[in-house]
Amino acid sequence: DVKVTQSSRYLVKRTGEKVFLECVQDMDHENMFWYRQDPGLGLRLIYFSYDVKMKEKGDIPEGYSVSREKKERFSLILESASTNQTSMYLCASRPGQGRNEQFFGPGTRLTVL
Amino acid sequence: GDSVTQMEGPVTLSEEAFLTINCTYTATGYPSLFWYVQYPGEGLQLLLKATKADDKGSNKGFEATYRKETTSFHLEKGSVQVSDSAVYFCALSDPGGSARQLTFGSGTQLTVLP
Repeated sequence: DVKVTQSSRYLVKRTGEKVFLECVQDMDHENMFWYRQDPGLGLRLIYFSYDVKMKEKGDIPEGYSVSREKKERFSLILESASTNQTSMYLCASRPGQGRNEQFFGPGTRLTVL
Repeated sequence: GDSVTQMEGPVTLSEEAFLTINCTYTATGYPSLFWYVQYPGEGLQLLLKATKADDKGSNKGFEATYRKETTSFHLEKGSVQVSDSAVYFCALSDPGGSARQLTFGSGTQLTVLP
């Protein structure tokens, strides 16, 4: 089975802190994604990466950056956390080679105080 | 652009009832279609998929048929259980667009009562 893990299930940070959310997949997938999920707004794509050191902006990249130094790891960075970034963050990976389904991690519920 | 429209919830059913959650889509190409399920406090799990017209995806008693003529991919289950209570998301991947991305519907909350 594909396994996507996220570094924390719950995280509480203060406004202005730098926050790192880590995601690791164990199936050598080419593509990785970061979403946030908010009530009434559904899933929104923040950033994705189709290869090591490659990244593309999604629909709501403002206030976020990402890093992919190794194929299995995709990090989401909140440079200066704000209260409006309180959300559920979901990481996903996609095999590539004609397979379009994504496999999701368990999510990180981030609260910014 | 691509879009997915799901029936609005919440949906409440009694155990052993028949379930239908409607999903229709708009896409520029010939998309692959997916249903995902999210249990409380968890990430999304792939429930089933279909990659071409008339394909039927099935898993855990759930089924959905890719209907190109009606641009639909409705989710059905003949007899729901309390453990099926979750949020269900319909999604598509459009090769005419960015095949790396999924377009999700808004989700349908299902509650099954004993």
